Amino acid sequence: DGGITQSPKYLFRKEGQNVTLSCEQNLNHDAMYWYRQDPGQGLRLIYYSQIVNDFQKGDIAEGYSVSREKKESFPLTVTSAQKNPTAFYLCASSKLLAWGRETQYFGPGTRLLVL
Amino acid sequence: AQKITQTQPGMFVQEKEAVTLDCTYDTSDQSYGLFWYKQPSSGEMIFLIYQGSYDEQNATEGRYSLNFQKARKSANLVISASQLGDSAMYFCAMREEGSGANSKLTFGKGITLSVRP
Repeated sequence: DGGITQSPKYLFRKEGQNVTLSCEQNLNHDAMYWYRQDPGQGLRLIYYSQIVNDFQKGDIAEGYSVSREKKESFPLTVTSAQKNPTAFYLCASSKLLAWGRETQYFGPGTRLLVL
Repeated sequence: AQKITQTQPGMFVQEKEAVTLDCTYDTSDQSYGLFWYKQPSSGEMIFLIYQGSYDEQNATEGRYSLNFQKARKSANLVISASQLGDSAMYFCAMREEGSGANSKLTFGKGITLSVRP
């Protein structure tokens, strides 16, 4: 089955520690995205990538880093510079089309907690 | 100003009845897309329905339909024949042409829907 997988489901971070969240898709989608969701809030874009080896900052990129070495993978690193990392992180992907009904599909999410 | 506004408090609906979830948006672009997603307690965002700004007809997908009123800048989701499994958070989102094709969605804060048996 095609889809988007995220791991781990829960992640615990200690103070000053960098942690990496995994996102893999086998949908042959070109674009991938990382969102952050805080309780009672909508999603905010952290980073996105439309092609391999290229990515763009979203609205809240500070304290995060990404890489896109393969089309299928878009890992997100939460660095120690991110002072309030506790949140639910969602990865999404979409097929690149001309302007039209391009839709983002989401993975199951990773919940990050700070110890 | 918020680009996507969802102001309804928690919504309740009786099983098998219809419910409307409100969404208003703000954009100066002529070309844009509007999306609705469902987020159950498991957390995954599930795509429900899409409406393009140039679409002449309201979008429909099974029990979901979108009441698109362009002049009022509203894109309300209508769920017919509610089921217990419809209990979830519902998010309205917009993609503006000016933000570049295939780039970011702007999400509202969501509405909680509870279906009563």
